[in-house]
Amino acid sequence: EAGVTQSPTHLIKTRGQQATLRCSPISGHTSVYWYQQALGLGLQFLLWYDEGEERNRGNFPPRFSGRQFPNYSSELNVNALELEDSALYLCASSFVRGYTFGSGTRLTVV
Amino acid sequence: DQQVKQNSPSLSVQEGRISILNCDYTNSMFDYFLWYKKYPAEGPTFLISISSIKDKNEDGRFTVFLNKSAKHLSLHIVPSQPGDSAVYFCAASRDNYGQNFVFGPGTRLSVLP
Repeated sequence: EAGVTQSPTHLIKTRGQQATLRCSPISGHTSVYWYQQALGLGLQFLLWYDEGEERNRGNFPPRFSGRQFPNYSSELNVNALELEDSALYLCASSFVRGYTFGSGTRLTVV
Repeated sequence: DQQVKQNSPSLSVQEGRISILNCDYTNSMFDYFLWYKKYPAEGPTFLISISSIKDKNEDGRFTVFLNKSAKHLSLHIVPSQPGDSAVYFCAASRDNYGQNFVFGPGTRLSVLP
């Protein structure tokens, strides 16, 4: 069984540009969670999608957005990139009693 | 306001000895707790969980203890092995359906040979 897959592995963008990160959950999982891990910080909750709907979002500005497709894969979009958006972005899909994480996308804003 | 705290950013332990990683939380509504391990360039992987109806859960070398009155949990690794060197995250939730976990900042464990 394939795990949670994320692409790309690394992404370098210029300040002000937009970044799109992709995630495919484990087959059969309908929920996708996005987390940000900035350098030296823990995992900060970004967004939760379930059955195509945004169910909850963390304390992030509106330029962080996303969507979930009918096949339950998801995109995270970050507009008007700022230097402090440089971080590891992790996607997880849920089973009862916990998450399974992907390996993440390392976004670097220069 | 950090609801889940891991006050030790790093911990070094000799191989074969016990590693104790601590986690404190402030929200008394949390009733389900997880520990994750993360290696560099990989996503966190689930280690062990505990619900508030228990005070101890054991899985091989890993044991999690929960003290609800103190809002404190700890992860014990016995014996510690060099492959245990990783960042350990504590996470808490108000429910046990895998939703809306709050993560601590992590503790970097180094097991020295």
